[in-house]
Amino acid sequence: DGGITQSPKYLFRKEGQNVTLSCEQNLNHDAMYWYRQDPGQGLRLIYYSQIVNDFQKGDIAEGYSVSREKKESFPLTVTSAQKNPTAFYLCASSMRRDGFYEQYFGPGTRLTVT
Amino acid sequence: QKEVEQDPGPLSVPEGAIVSLNCTYSNSAFQYFMWYRQYSRKGPELLMYTYSSGNKEDGRFTAQVDKSSKYISLFIRDSQPSDSATYLCAMSPNILTGGGNKLTFGTGTQLKVEL
Repeated sequence: DGGITQSPKYLFRKEGQNVTLSCEQNLNHDAMYWYRQDPGQGLRLIYYSQIVNDFQKGDIAEGYSVSREKKESFPLTVTSAQKNPTAFYLCASSMRRDGFYEQYFGPGTRLTVT
Repeated sequence: QKEVEQDPGPLSVPEGAIVSLNCTYSNSAFQYFMWYRQYSRKGPELLMYTYSSGNKEDGRFTAQVDKSSKYISLFIRDSQPSDSATYLCAMSPNILTGGGNKLTFGTGTQLKVEL
């Protein structure tokens, strides 16, 4: 079954700790993305990667870091520098469809930091 | 001002109603217009997309784009409780004319269809 997996579904951390969210895809897509979703704010792009060993900052990259060592994997680290880390985090990958890139999303990880 | 504006709702309708969901945008470069559906605590999935202006129908769903007004709509006929979800519009320039592989999303409209 092809798709995107994110783990864990729910994650709880204490303030001041770094935490890494996992994202794996077996769709053979080159591009991968991380979004943050907060009520009333829609999807905000954190980082994206178009190819292995390359990634770019999105609109809200401060306090986050990523790596892309393998095509299948794009983990996101939420650092202690992120002021409001509690949110729903979505990973996506994309493939070309006609003249745009259709994005496929994982099931998300809900992170709660107290 | 955001590039894409979407009323967050919530929108509550009775079963069988016709639902109209809308987005406005400001970037004239947008050529592809998508609607994603997101059930509670799940990731969004593409419902349908349209290229440039016009209508596209898929079962009970119709997507409409008016580029002159920079206004897009999604109509749901004979709405069902299973349609209860958040609907996000998304837009993209044409990659053949320089568009990248990022999408610009609206904030999403939460829809509840009641029995």
